Amino acid sequence: KQEVTQIPAALSVPEGENLVLNCSFTDSAIYNLQWFRQDPGKGLTSLLLIQSSQREQTSGRLNASLDKSSGRSTLYIAASQPGDSATYLCAVYYGNKLVFGAGTILRVKS
Amino acid sequence: NAGVTQTPKFQVLKTGQSMTLQCAQDMNHNSMYWYRQDPGMGLRLIYYSASEGTTDKGEVPNGYNVSRLNKREFSLRLESAAPSQTSVYFCASSRASGLSYNEQFFGPGTRLTVL
Repeated sequence: KQEVTQIPAALSVPEGENLVLNCSFTDSAIYNLQWFRQDPGKGLTSLLLIQSSQREQTSGRLNASLDKSSGRSTLYIAASQPGDSATYLCAVYYGNKLVFGAGTILRVKS
Repeated sequence: NAGVTQTPKFQVLKTGQSMTLQCAQDMNHNSMYWYRQDPGMGLRLIYYSASEGTTDKGEVPNGYNVSRLNKREFSLRLESAAPSQTSVYFCASSRASGLSYNEQFFGPGTRLTVL
């Protein structure tokens, strides 16, 4: 069964810290991997999409890496800010099927 | 472009009532999807439509039906709502299915409570 796991489930850090969110997947035959942000009671905001042939993608303070062979992806957030507080979801594409992890709840304290 | 739109935004139903959730996209996408999100969980696929005229079951289809009305619109129907269907429902669309680059774009969600 294709499963996506995110660790940790919740994370609280002081403002300014660099942090890493982890995502692992059981089936390495992926098409793409995408990281989303979700604010409480809101929809999904796409952060980064990594194609299966890529190793990483960067957008501003965010960097996502992909290691298909080990079944892992990381989302690196540099110089965290209180506005980064949200739930971060990792999702893996298997053809037309998108499998989500349960998310990491991030709180950045000012 | 509005992207993916969903109506209604909020809905409260009584057990046994029926309702239809509407979804529309203006990106000329071929594929559309319905997901549900329960507290502390990621999104789970209910049904999808790879192209106009086709629909297929996802991971959690029981209690739901769908209609791909045309290329733009994909509706989700609850025939007899149950408290277990209390959830947030998201619609998504993508250019096509089965491609190596096939990003899905999500609507804002419908928050449904069944009493």
